[in-house]
Amino acid sequence: DVKVTQSSRYLVKRTGEKVFLECVQDMDHENMFWYRQDPGLGLRLIYFSYDVKMKEKGDIPEGYSVSREKKERFSLILESASTNQTSMYLCASSLKVYGEQFFGPGTRLTVL
Amino acid sequence: GNSVTQMEGPVTLSEEAFLTINCTYTATGYPSLFWYVQYPGEGLQLLLKATKADDKGSNKGFEATYRKETTSFHLEKGSVQVSDSAVYFCALSTNTGGFKTIFGAGTRLFVKA
Repeated sequence: DVKVTQSSRYLVKRTGEKVFLECVQDMDHENMFWYRQDPGLGLRLIYFSYDVKMKEKGDIPEGYSVSREKKERFSLILESASTNQTSMYLCASSLKVYGEQFFGPGTRLTVL
Repeated sequence: GNSVTQMEGPVTLSEEAFLTINCTYTATGYPSLFWYVQYPGEGLQLLLKATKADDKGSNKGFEATYRKETTSFHLEKGSVQVSDSAVYFCALSTNTGGFKTIFGAGTRLFVKA
């Protein structure tokens, strides 16, 4: 079974802090994704990566950056956290870029 | 552009009732269609999928048929259980015009004992 893990389930940060969200998958998947989930809006893609050191912007990349130095690890970075980035963040991976995605449990981030 | 529209929730049913959650889509090309489920406190997990027209995906008593003529992929279950209470997301993936997976807004289901 694919396992996708995220570094924290809950995180509380202050406005202006730099925030790192880490995601690790153990199935050698090429593709990894970061989404944010907000009530009534479903999942919105922030960034995705189809290979090590490769990244593509999703629908809402503003205020975020990503890093993929190793195949199994994909990090989401909030350079200067703001209150409107309070959300649930979900990481996913997939074997094929448009195939089934496997999700981590999510990180609920609160920015005060 | 590509989009997914699913019925708004919450949907509240009694145990053993019949469930339908409607999902329609707009897409160019030939998308793959998915239903994902999110149980409380967890990430999404794939419930079922269909990759071409008239395919029926099924899992855990849930079914959905890829209807190209009506651009729909409605989720059904004949007899729901309390344990089916969750949020259900319809999604499509297409490689036309670049990779894209699009999720619907989600439908919350409550099942009462």
